[in-house]
Formats: sequence, structure tokens, C-alpha cells
Amino acid sequence: DGGITQSPKYLFRKEGQNVTLSCEQNLNHDAMYWYRQDPGQGLRLIYYSQIVNDFQKGDIAEGYSVSREKKESFPLTVTSAQKNPTAFYLCASSTIAGATDTQYFGPGTRLTVL
Amino acid sequence: GQNIDQPTEMTATEGAIVQINCTYQTSGFNGLFWYQQHAGEAPTFLSYNVLDGLEEKGRFSSFLSRSKGYSYLLLKELQMKDSASYLCAVINSNYQLIWGAGTKLIIKP
Repeated sequence: DGGITQSPKYLFRKEGQNVTLSCEQNLNHDAMYWYRQDPGQGLRLIYYSQIVNDFQKGDIAEGYSVSREKKESFPLTVTSAQKNPTAFYLCASSTIAGATDTQYFGPGTRLTVL
Repeated sequence: GQNIDQPTEMTATEGAIVQINCTYQTSGFNGLFWYQQHAGEAPTFLSYNVLDGLEEKGRFSSFLSRSKGYSYLLLKELQMKDSASYLCAVINSNYQLIWGAGTKLIIKP
């Protein structure tokens, strides 16, 4: 079955620690995205990548970093510089990077900072 | 600024019809998506509108009026499993995807 996987589903972190969220897709999609979802707000774009070894900042990139060494993988690191990291993180992918292309989402990772 | 407005929460009865509205003010328009999201899960694609009019897909239909900056999602023959949040998202002239906060739909027996 093709799809997007994110791990872990729940993640707890102490303040001051970096943590990496995994996102893998086997849909052969070129574009991948990371969003943050907070209660009462729309999805906010953190980073996106249109092609391997290239990525762009979204609207709220501060305190986050990404890499795209393989087409299938787009991990997100939440650094200690992110002031309010507790949120639901969603990874998505699409066949091409144009926004008119439908994005397909992974199941999400809920990060809680203790 | 760019803004998408949806009601925060709606309640409907099983078997009934409900209409979820979305109004938008964005810098240009290149299409509108509706997604369904069950609590704690991933959003799943429902529909995409780029031209005015109604798109029907089974029990779900989506309508767009570009001149009014308005869309709605119509759900017929409501089932308990339709209890979820419904997200409206608009593509602006820079091909950025702007998301609404979502409408939580509660279905009662």
C-alpha cells in the first residue's frame, strides 16, 4: 500500500532538547511539506521541499530545520530555539510542487514539551 | 492580509443535510480545497474547485463563487462517521495554500 508514514505518533521532550520527527512516503511524490496544527488555527507551513537536496522556508520556519537527502524522506528537527513547540505536526506530499496539486497527509506526530 | 473564515462548530442530526460555509479574502485565487479531518488524524482530501459552480461526489458536494469569495461543502444523508473537522484551503496568486481553522461538525443521533 502506498502512503505516508510519520513516527512516532506521540513524542515527549524536555525543554532544551532537540527532537527529530520522521516522515517517509512511498508515493513517488516529488514535493513534501511540514505543517504545524494548533487548536483553533489553520495549518501553518513550516518547510517544504520540491526536489531532493532542496527545501524552502514556510511561514513559521524559525526554530525548525529539515533535510531532503532522499526523495522518500523529509525529517523535521524541532530545535531548542523553538519557543512553543508543543503541537500536532503533519507531513504531506504531492506529485509536483505547485499548490494546485492535491496534498496527501501522514497520520501526524503529537509533540509535547514537558 | 489574507483570511479564511469558517464557523468554528456546527451540530446536525443523523440522516439530515448540513452546509458548511467558507468565505475568503486572499491575494488572488487559484483554487479551493476541502479536507476532512477526524480528531487526532490526518486530513483527507474531499474536493477541489477552481471554476464557479457545484461539484458533486456522492454524499458530498462543494460549491464555489469566485465573485463572492465564497464556497460551501454540502453533506447529505449524514452518518455518525461524518463527525469530524472540515478544513477549507485557498490557493492564492503566489500559489501559496492558505488554510482556514476548520469547522468541527458534531452529528447527533
